Parts: sequence; structure tokens; C-alpha cells
Amino acid sequence: QVHLVESGGGVVQPGTSLRLSCAASGFSFSTYGMHWVRQAPGKGLEWVASFWFDRSNEHYADSVKGRFTISRDNSKNTLYLQMSSLKAEDTALYFCARDTGGIIGNLDYWGQGTLVTVSS
Amino acid sequence: EIVLTQSPATLSLSPGERATLSCRASQSISFYLAWYQQKPGQAPRLLIYDASNRATGIPDRFSGSGSGTDFTLTISSLEPEDFAVYYCQQRRAWPPLTFGGGTKVEIK
Repeated sequence: QVHLVESGGGVVQPGTSLRLSCAASGFSFSTYGMHWVRQAPGKGLEWVASFWFDRSNEHYADSVKGRFTISRDNSKNTLYLQMSSLKAEDTALYFCARDTGGIIGNLDYWGQGTLVTVSS
Repeated sequence: EIVLTQSPATLSLSPGERATLSCRASQSISFYLAWYQQKPGQAPRLLIYDASNRATGIPDRFSGSGSGTDFTLTISSLEPEDFAVYYCQQRRAWPPLTFGGGTKVEIK
């Protein structure tokens, strides 16, 4: 049974950093692409970043490029999102999601999310 | 960036009725469109991928159609658990992966 559990969210001040984690279980983590998607309070879904299954490539939304870094540790079955220079507009529920393949772009399993609030 | 426009924003229907949701892309995306369902306080759930393929475990009352720029998600007969927000998402040209703004299906 596929299971994704995000952690690391919290209330932080603008300009600071935070690292989110996504612990995966129930599937062969190293053979799937992974994504971060966020949802601001009361708003729709916004793709944030993606990481290829073999760590050969990564992509970012323009809104986070240069500030966020996606990474993965296949030995720990964990996906990360290092967020720096946080802004109020980064406030959102952050979901990790599994790709249906190495990196296809369909997201078939999602965690429950971890809430990041950026506020002074 | 490919923009997805969903309509209507809200659909008010009764259980047992047919729901028809629309998603229009700003340029052709072939069949590379997915649909997700999100209930309050829950994560999104993949319903349909590549325009018309039901994801694992999705009831057959959900169906998807379309190609190019115009897509439709149809729920043939609404069950109480189907009242939720539905998002479309394209993977034809990414990054970025883009989502539509959502359609809320509410009880009339």
C-alpha cells in the first residue's frame, strides 16, 4: 500500500528557510519520479517542483526557482524540499506526490500535506 | 506556459444527476490531460489520466473525453461522495505542470 507522509512544516518569518520531508513506503521509491505541489489557503493547486526517479533531472516553477531545491535520498525512501528566502506568498499546504512512472507527469498518490505559514 | 480554464466554476446538482465539467487548454495538449478530485481536508485523488483512462479503483461512473484543447469529465450519476472540487492538469508541455482553477460540484 502506497503511503506518503510529509513533515517539516511550520510558522516561519519571511526570509528564513525550512526543509520539508516526504517519507515514502509501500512501493519501490527509487523507480518513480516525485513531485511537490502546493495549495494556498482556499486556492487551487500549484505545481512546485519535480525530481526524476534516477536523480538525472529536476524542474521548478518560476515562482520558486533559485529559492527552493528538491532532492531525494533513495536509500531512505525520502523526498525533500529545501525552501529558502521564504515569502508570504509561499504560505500553503505542501503535498508530495508520486508520478505514475519515472517522470511522466501524472500524479497517482498524494500525501496529506504539511502546512507552511510565512508570517512576521 | 499552457493555461487551463475550467468551467463552470461551480456546478449545483442533485444526487443521481449527470455532471459535465469542462477544461479548455490555451494550446493543443493532445491527450495529455488528467483529472483530480479533492474533498475538503483531503489530498487530491487521480481520477482520469491521458484524457480518458480511469485510474486504479475509480468507479466507471467517471469518464473523460476530449483531445487537443477541449476536454470533458463526466460523472454519469452523482453519488453523495462525489460532491467535491475537480481539477484538470496537463503534462503535454512541462515544466511547468499546470492545473486548472477547479470546478466545485455542490449539492443543489
